[in-house]
Order: sequence, then structure tokens, then C-alpha cells
Amino acid sequence: EVQLVQSGAEGKKPGESLKISCKASGYSFSTYWIAWVRQMPGKGLEWMGIIYPDDSDTRYSPSFQGHVTISADKSNTTAYLQWSNLKTSDTAIYYCARLEATRDAFDIWGQGTMVTVSS
Amino acid sequence: QSVLTQPPSVSAAPGQKVTISCSGSSSNIGTNYVSWYQQLPGTAPKLLIYENNQRPSGIPDRFSGSKSGTSATLDITGLQTGDEADYYCAVWDTTLTASVGTGTTVTVL
Repeated sequence: EVQLVQSGAEGKKPGESLKISCKASGYSFSTYWIAWVRQMPGKGLEWMGIIYPDDSDTRYSPSFQGHVTISADKSNTTAYLQWSNLKTSDTAIYYCARLEATRDAFDIWGQGTMVTVSS
Repeated sequence: QSVLTQPPSVSAAPGQKVTISCSGSSSNIGTNYVSWYQQLPGTAPKLLIYENNQRPSGIPDRFSGSKSGTSATLDITGLQTGDEADYYCAVWDTTLTASVGTGTTVTVL
């Protein structure tokens, strides 16, 4: 079964760092782009960026460039999203999603990771 | 701020039809495929439509998509209570970036 399984909920304080994960299985991880999508409480979806695990080619939305880092580990078939200086405004659910390039669509989604940043 | 605009909400009675619009521009919808996603309450988004009007396996034909110029539309016919959800349009373009719509809440009256 093709699936993306994300790490569990996190509670952090402002200024702390965090790395959440997205474990892929059931397909060739290296050859599909993986995106990260933010959903703030009660709000819509926002595309943050995307990575191609085979060569780690990474693209960011201008809204998130410089504030988060997207990475991938081919040996572990896992993609990551990390922050070095969390803000309360980072409180949100974060989804990873696989891009099916032949369909120009995100066909597989992780279950989401809730990140809460509060002092 | 999203560049794809959707109505905040639409509603209809069970068995009726709703139409959700997605308005963009020549640089996104005008030159790329549109996909649609359903997000049921408390769950992750799910792909409903790709390449403007194609349904993945398992998606009922009550859901249909179309595109004309710089706008796209998702139709849901035979509305069911289980269709109550948020719906998003999106575009993946050749510059390796994505645009996501503002989202529409469907309510079954």
C-alpha cells in the first residue's frame, strides 16, 4: 500500500527548534516530489515547498522561504520539515503530500502533524 | 495570499447539485491543469479530480470537473450528507510551484 505516515503531535515554545517527518512506503520514494502544506487553525491550505528526494532539489513558496527547511533522506524514505526558531504563528497542522507528476496532482497525503507553539 | 479564488461556501439540499468555482489567471489556471481536493472534517485532504476533469479510481462520477480559460469548476451532483467538507482547487505549474485555492465549504441543508 502506498502511504505517507507522519510523526506525532508536537508542543513547543517560541524560539525552539523542531523537525517533523513524513515516512513513505509502497513506492519508489526517490522519484516522486514530496510537498509540505500548512493549515492554520480554521484556515485553508497553504503550499510551503517541495523536494525531489533523488537529488534533493528543493523549491519554496516565497511565503516560507528562509523560515523553514525541507529535506529528505533516501536511505530512510523520509522527508522532513524543520524550524530553527519557532513562532506562535507556526501553530498549525502540517501535511506532506506526494506529487504524481504524470497527473500534476498531489495523490497521496499524510495524516498531518499538529504543531502547537505556545509560551 | 492565494491566487486562486473560490466562494467561501455553497449549500444545497440532499440530492441536489452544487457548483464550486475556482478563478485564476493566465499564468496559473490558464496554462496548467487544475486538480480538486476534498477535506472532510478532521481529516487530511484527498484527491478528487486531476487534469481538470479526471477522477482517480474510487471517486464516484457524482464529482466532475471542468476548465475554461482562467477558471475551473467542480460539480457535485446527487448531493449527500457525507459530501459536507471543504473543497480546494490547486494548480501545479512548470516552474515547480503550486497554487492552492481559498477553499469552499459545502453544506448539505
